[in-house]
Amino acid sequence: DAGVIQSPRHEVTEMGQEVTLRCKPISGHDYLFWYRQTMMRGLELLIYFNNNVPIDDSGMPEDRFSAKMPNASFSTLKIQPSEPRDSAVYFCASRPGAAYGYTFGSGTRLTVV
Amino acid sequence: AQTVTQSQPEMSVQEAETVTLSCTYDTSENNYYLFWYKQPPSRQMILVIRQEAYKQQNATENRFSVNFQKAAKSFSLKISDSQLGDTAMYFCALSGAGSYQLTFGKGTKLSVIP
Repeated sequence: DAGVIQSPRHEVTEMGQEVTLRCKPISGHDYLFWYRQTMMRGLELLIYFNNNVPIDDSGMPEDRFSAKMPNASFSTLKIQPSEPRDSAVYFCASRPGAAYGYTFGSGTRLTVV
Repeated sequence: AQTVTQSQPEMSVQEAETVTLSCTYDTSENNYYLFWYKQPPSRQMILVIRQEAYKQQNATENRFSVNFQKAAKSFSLKISDSQLGDTAMYFCALSGAGSYQLTFGKGTKLSVIP
């Protein structure tokens, strides 16, 4: 298995632009998570899905953030409009069950200028 | 609510020496899982070791081992024969048996000095 695949690896965009981050989880992992990592706040859970259904989106900071999982092999995290304070590393992770740790993707470093 | 506390923001160790990273946690669940993750400068999050709370035996993975003290709610990571490639942020994490969400500590930055 190729692991959790995220794209792009780096994204630089101007304030106000729409940003879409992509994730392909490991096949057979029923749970998918989106995290944001910053120096100030550490790792923050934004949202997670079970069998493509959003279960908890209480970590999504604002309405500018939205996430979808149209099928078991693909998820997106969208920021519209983007702001400089959204600059962070965004991780996607998947997990087959509670007894197992996450498998993380390599992350997307987002810079909003 | 679950909490994970890593009280050492930064540590350093000489190459080939042993170092222990501390982690304490709190949970109301009787059954849960504990994890240590490593994040090197490449930023990839890598699972280092996993412990099931109902197992008394401490988990080991090559040079990595844990000291799991359930009553004290302590889960420390010991790295033996430290190598330069062990330089990374280390995160302790907790998951209840009925929860699919991991709670992470703030991390400990470990530097291995040649």
